[in-house]
Amino acid sequence: IQLTQSPSSLSASVGDRVTVTCRASQAISNSLAWYQQKPGKAPRLLITAASSLQTGVPSRFSGSGAGTDFTLIITSLQPEDFATYFCQQLHDYPLSFGGGTKVEIK
Amino acid sequence: EVQLLQSGGGLVQPGGSLRLSCAISGFTSANYATSWVRQAPGKGLEWVSGISSSGDDKYYADSVQGRFTISRDNSKKTVSLQMDSLRAEDTAVYYCARAPWDVWGQGTLVTVSS
Repeated sequence: IQLTQSPSSLSASVGDRVTVTCRASQAISNSLAWYQQKPGKAPRLLITAASSLQTGVPSRFSGSGAGTDFTLIITSLQPEDFATYFCQQLHDYPLSFGGGTKVEIK
Repeated sequence: EVQLLQSGGGLVQPGGSLRLSCAISGFTSANYATSWVRQAPGKGLEWVSGISSSGDDKYYADSVQGRFTISRDNSKKTVSLQMDSLRAEDTAVYYCARAPWDVWGQGTLVTVSS
């Protein structure tokens, strides 16, 4: 299952609303997770089952979607949110990740 | 503390072998499936292999099928990745992670070069 993330990068300012999309090559129900990764660090799980916020993740992060189209939204971008974001499908093996979206400071 | 502590990795010549280990602490190993994920320098994440909580079921990416072998010893609370016939394109930071993907190891660099 191929996952296509868009955009591959974006520039935004603190306080902006950011939207990242992830499209699956076939229907995966809601078996999608979102991660945040900072340089030199392991990925951090943000959202499971497409829309369930992981414990400890700020509520400005949200996920939605089902089937083939998914969205990660960050409302009111904070300085600590500048990072790369990945989606991952957990519907079937082999598991797969999207190509990533790098969120940079404008 | 719930954590995965990785060991192994390093520099190896093309065609060589390396074994990565992932030591589990703070939770019951036998309750969680575990996967290996890698990240080539400056690139995205690639799922490599996964193993069920019991060890009965094993899965591999096409890119490593037949060269890598995943295993686990729940009595020793470890998950291992045996990597044979290594290629330059296997160069990456390798992470272990438990399902439901909420706990990750610190990562270990594998460099395949002559």
